[in-house]
Formats: sequence, structure tokens, C-alpha cells
Amino acid sequence: DQQVKQNSPSLSVQEGRISILNCDYTNSMFDYFLWYKKYPAEGPTFLISISSIKDKNEDGRFTVFLNKSAKHLSLHIVPSQPGDSAVYFCAASASTSGTYKYIFGTGTRLKVLA
Amino acid sequence: DVKVTQSSRYLVKRTGEKVFLECVQDMDHENMFWYRQDPGLGLRLIYFSYDVKMKEKGDIPEGYSVSREKKERFSLILESASTNQTSMYLCASRLGAWTEAFFGQGTRLTVV
Repeated sequence: DQQVKQNSPSLSVQEGRISILNCDYTNSMFDYFLWYKKYPAEGPTFLISISSIKDKNEDGRFTVFLNKSAKHLSLHIVPSQPGDSAVYFCAASASTSGTYKYIFGTGTRLKVLA
Repeated sequence: DVKVTQSSRYLVKRTGEKVFLECVQDMDHENMFWYRQDPGLGLRLIYFSYDVKMKEKGDIPEGYSVSREKKERFSLILESASTNQTSMYLCASRLGAWTEAFFGQGTRLTVV
């Protein structure tokens, strides 16, 4: 049972354009969501997060949108740069669970074309 | 600067060997996690620990055990390595709710 889903395994975008990565979840108890970026042979690095009391959070070129009614979040990268080429994972946790564990999606490989 | 350090970047082990993967964090975090990453499957939680000597199974604990004798150190043990345990193993730590997890650099384990 995949509680966090990233249905697009890959995405290609031209440099300078917007990249939109999507993530869906099924567990209504999730209340904190994050995006991580991962390069090959390295650990994931944290990009941006959002709590369920918000519907948008921005940090520089990165914006995360949360639609609770649709159980959907998205990451927008504007403008996209070749260095953004990596695998992106969304993750979710439920603060009421008491365990603070994250459930991750399967990842989307973003390729930014110069 | 926050740091999670895994003892090895690359390991090659033989089938049936007992394998220890070590992880150390310097942030005084209560919560530590072991994930494995496989193509098309994302990051799957093996075990986690929310305090010294406390542990809980994640989604795929079979064939693994863990040890947390000190707050800063969380070890993953493959009791008898098998080829289907060939994977990238990632350790993470986290302070608590509403915070991000910090990951180590990963250990690429190959079982032959």
C-alpha cells in the first residue's frame, strides 16, 4: 500500500522554464510534507517543507503547494537550471503518530536541458 | 553544521556474511532511521529508533536488525546477507515533529 505516490518517474524541462513535480498521498493523518533532492551516490538533501496549516511555502526558486482536499502537493522550480537535474522525493509524516517517521514516494527524475 | 556520517561509502560482502552498517549523528537527535533505496521503489523504511535502546520496525524489517546503545549511534545489521539486500542504504536523524530529517551520504552495499 503506497501511501505517498509520485506517478511521474521522469520529467524533462528546458533550462529557464518551470519544473512542476507532483505528489499524491492517501493518509489523511499526514500533516507535514517535505521535498528532498538526491544526486547519484549521495544522500538526499532537504529542499523545502510545508505543514498542513499552510497551502504554500516559498524558498527562493522553490515553491511547494499543498491541496489538502485533493491530498496533493507539488514542487515548482522557477527558473529551472541544469544543476537541478536530480531525483526528487516527496515525503510525509503524521505528527500525531508519535514516531516521527517519514514515508517517501518513489521519486521523479528531473532532467533540465541546457 | 549538521552531520550524519555513515561508516562506509561502498561495501562488497559475500552471501551469508553478517554485515554491520554504522551511522553516527552529531546533532543530539532523538530519532534515527534506516532506509534503503532501490530503483523504482523510492526510499523504504527498514527500522527506526526514537530513543536509546528503543527501536521499531519499519515497512521492510525482514532480514535486518538494529542496535542503538548510544544516542548518537544507530547500527543496521544484516544477520545473513543475501543478494536481494544489494542496495543503497541511507541513515537519517531527526529532532522531532515539524522538522526535516538529515541524511548521511549513503552506503552502496553489494552482496555477491
